[in-house]
Amino acid sequence: KAGVTQTPRYLIKTRGQQVTLSCSPISGHRSVSWYQQTPGQGLQFLFEYFSETQRNKGNFPGRFSGRQFSNSRSEMNVSTLELGDSALYLCASELHNEQFFGPGTRLTVL
Amino acid sequence: AQKITQTQPGMFVQEKEAVTLDCTYDTSDQSYGLFWYKQPSSGEMIFLIYQGSYDEQNATEGRYSLNFQKARKSANLVISASQLGDSAMYFCAMREAFITQGGSEKLVFGKGTKLTVNP
Repeated sequence: KAGVTQTPRYLIKTRGQQVTLSCSPISGHRSVSWYQQTPGQGLQFLFEYFSETQRNKGNFPGRFSGRQFSNSRSEMNVSTLELGDSALYLCASELHNEQFFGPGTRLTVL
Repeated sequence: AQKITQTQPGMFVQEKEAVTLDCTYDTSDQSYGLFWYKQPSSGEMIFLIYQGSYDEQNATEGRYSLNFQKARKSANLVISASQLGDSAMYFCAMREAFITQGGSEKLVFGKGTKLTVNP
């Protein structure tokens, strides 16, 4: 069974641009969560989707948005990028109390 | 208020010895779950072990065991027979009551402990 996949793995953008990250959960998993990891703030919850509906949202500005498709794949979008958005973005899907994480997308904003 | 506290920024252990990584948590919920993850330098978060608040026995998974002391609100990870490949960041995380979170799977993470296993 394939694990959680995230694309792209690495991304370099400049301030003001926007970016879209993709996450494909493990087959059969309907919940997808997104986290941002930075050296200063650690791991912070962004949002969670279940059956195409946002079920919970973390304390991030409206520049961060997401969606989930009928096949449970999820995308997150960050508009008007800032230097502070440089981070590792992790997504996770869950089944039976095990949250499986993908390898992450490392975003660098220049 | 910080909900997950990992007081050890870094820990060192000799190969083949056991090590305990500390984690305390804060919640007013009766139903919650506690998780430990390993993050090697590659960045991927690897699930290690889960303890439910109503589980009467401490969780074990191979060389990993969770020392769950509910009254003290602690959930320490014990790694037995350390291996060089255990060197990584370790994160403790909590998921509060499913219902109060609106059915959410949201995890709250601690700051992590960097474990170094010496040969």
